[in-house]
Formats: sequence, C-alpha cells, structure tokens
Amino acid sequence: AQSVTQLDSQVPVFEEAPVELRCNYSSSVSVYLFWYVQYPNQGLQLLLKYLSGSTLVKGINGFEAEFNKSQTSFHLRKPSVHISDTAEYFCAVSSYNQGGKLIFGQGTELSVKP
Amino acid sequence: EAGVAQSPRYKIIEKRQSVAFWCNPISGHATLYWYQQILGQGPKLLIQFQNNGVVDDSQLPKDRFSAERLKGVDSTLKIQPAKLEDSAVYLCASSPLVGLASHEQYFGPGTRLTVT
Repeated sequence: AQSVTQLDSQVPVFEEAPVELRCNYSSSVSVYLFWYVQYPNQGLQLLLKYLSGSTLVKGINGFEAEFNKSQTSFHLRKPSVHISDTAEYFCAVSSYNQGGKLIFGQGTELSVKP
Repeated sequence: EAGVAQSPRYKIIEKRQSVAFWCNPISGHATLYWYQQILGQGPKLLIQFQNNGVVDDSQLPKDRFSAERLKGVDSTLKIQPAKLEDSAVYLCASSPLVGLASHEQYFGPGTRLTVT
C-alpha cells in the first residue's frame, strides 16, 4: 500500500520570497507523483506530474518539483511567490498496477502575505 | 474542451435524509472517480468506474452509499441515510483509459454537503 506525508500543514511566506512544500511517500512499487492545487471552493487543479524521464519536472504558474527516489520525496518549489498562490496544495501518488487510484497527503496551506 | 461537471454545488440536509450527486466527466474519458474530502484532509477515493463497471469500491460505505454509471458516461452518487460524519466535499474526477495519460485525473468543482 502507498502513503503520502506532507510535512507541513501550514506555510506562511512573504510575497516574492521562495517557497518549498515538502512531500514524502511510501510505496513498495514504482509510483507516479502529482501535485494538485485547490483554491477556496474549487476542485483540484493539476500543477505538475512525474510519470517518467527527467526527475525535475516543471508545472504551471512557475512551480517545479524534483523526484528523489532514494529519499522517496517529491518536494514542490517556487522561486518567487505571489499573493495569488495562496491556496491548499496536495501531493498525491498512484502506482501503475492500481488502475490510477490517487492517494493524497493531508495538504499544505500556503499563505502568501504582502 | 468542457471540464468535469458536477451538481449541485452545495447541499444542506438533515441527518437520516437521503441525497444524490451527479457528475458528467470529460467527453471520451472512460474512467470516473468519486472522492470524499473531509475538511482539513486530503481527498479519499470512494469508488472508481471504468466505463460502466466498478474497478474499486473498497472504501465505499456500502450500507449507506451507492453509486452507478449507467451507459458508461455520467454518474450519480447517493447517500441514504446521511450521517453527520458525511459532511464533506464530494469530488468527481475522470481520466482517459489507456497510456500514461490514464494516470492524470481531471477534477470537477465538487459538491459541498452539510449534514445537520
């Protein structure tokens, strides 16, 4: 079985500062990794994904993440955040032998202050 | 391309009443998922359909929850009778059937259920 741990429930940061949201996973099989963003009263929007290939993946809105297999991590980063990045961020995993089912972490609330 | 549609967006009911949610996936997406997102938690899969067949319903509380996907397109999720702990956002997602793209899910806006 897979599990996902998001190490920070809340991350406050000032506008234009860099940010890193941490995600660790546990799995006995190869996984695919995702970051989703959820704005208030909205569904989840895919930020980026790692399916294969380069371990550094770039997504929308200037976000990127790096898959580290040895540390079983998939941390999300942005070099300079904006007020509009304030939202809940979810890390998720799926495995190729489980039909696409996503296992989500608990979420990290990113709060960008002026 | 139209996204995943869900209705209603909000629903308030009393405990022991019944409620139904509707989802229309992206056209051509064979796989449909229902997730439950309790406040402060990540979404949890309730049921997964491939076309009109159930792939995974291991976490669906079958004594009160039911779901169907007639004709392999839109789907309904029903709760009868509702309990206070069913208060949550119910998210529908869809994905293509084959290839690596099958692991990329597109989410609807969700239905926020409040049980009083």
